[in-house]
Amino acid sequence: DIVMTQSPDSLAVSLGERATIKCKSSQSVLYTSNNKNYLAWYQQKPGQPPKLLIYWASTRESGVPDRFSGSGSGTDFTLTISSLQAEDVAVYYCQQYYNTPRTFGQGTKLEIK
Amino acid sequence: EVQLVETGGGLIQPGGSLRLSCAASGLTVSSNYMSWVRQAPGKGLEWVSVIYSDGSTYYADSVKGRFTISRDNSQNTLYLQMNSLRVEDTAVYYCASPDPNRHDYGDYLVYWGQGTLVTVSS
Repeated sequence: DIVMTQSPDSLAVSLGERATIKCKSSQSVLYTSNNKNYLAWYQQKPGQPPKLLIYWASTRESGVPDRFSGSGSGTDFTLTISSLQAEDVAVYYCQQYYNTPRTFGQGTKLEIK
Repeated sequence: EVQLVETGGGLIQPGGSLRLSCAASGLTVSSNYMSWVRQAPGKGLEWVSVIYSDGSTYYADSVKGRFTISRDNSQNTLYLQMNSLRVEDTAVYYCASPDPNRHDYGDYLVYWGQGTLVTVSS
């Protein structure tokens, strides 16, 4: 199984500042035949289901603000929020869909400092 | 508009069985990759199972041999049959799917239901 490890577990950032969340996979999720990284990022707010933010490691889902961006390849990935807004307080998860079982990171709780 | 509505959760004793349903509208269950994801109280997301359009199924090791994913094409509904339930199966169970209109062979989860709570306790 591919193990997804996020860091940090929790993060407090001031409004308007940058937030960075890391995700590391235990093996590469880059499919060389199409050069795509099978990595997604989700946001979950209390009492709500997760919401897709980023797929293919760096493609922003429709309707997601452009302050959210994803980067990385192979085994190391980053979710960046360029200017934190109050509504971004949530738990963020990475997930690989390279193979089964599909696995999630443990989550990173993002709060306002 | 795609909607996924889970039902069937509740309180069940350890060792018991429960069947969850996920009624879909706006997409065709039989031609889509359909997944179950669960979340224990206060914990993170755990992928449980997937059924592909060709009928092949996959499970997390934690539920393999106890849970069965299936679908009813006529009802456009996804199921999760859960047997030999354990206390550690207590969670909100979400039904989720990719966007059927994207033909990019990635089953990242675009659509999610609101979830149904399963509590396994004596």
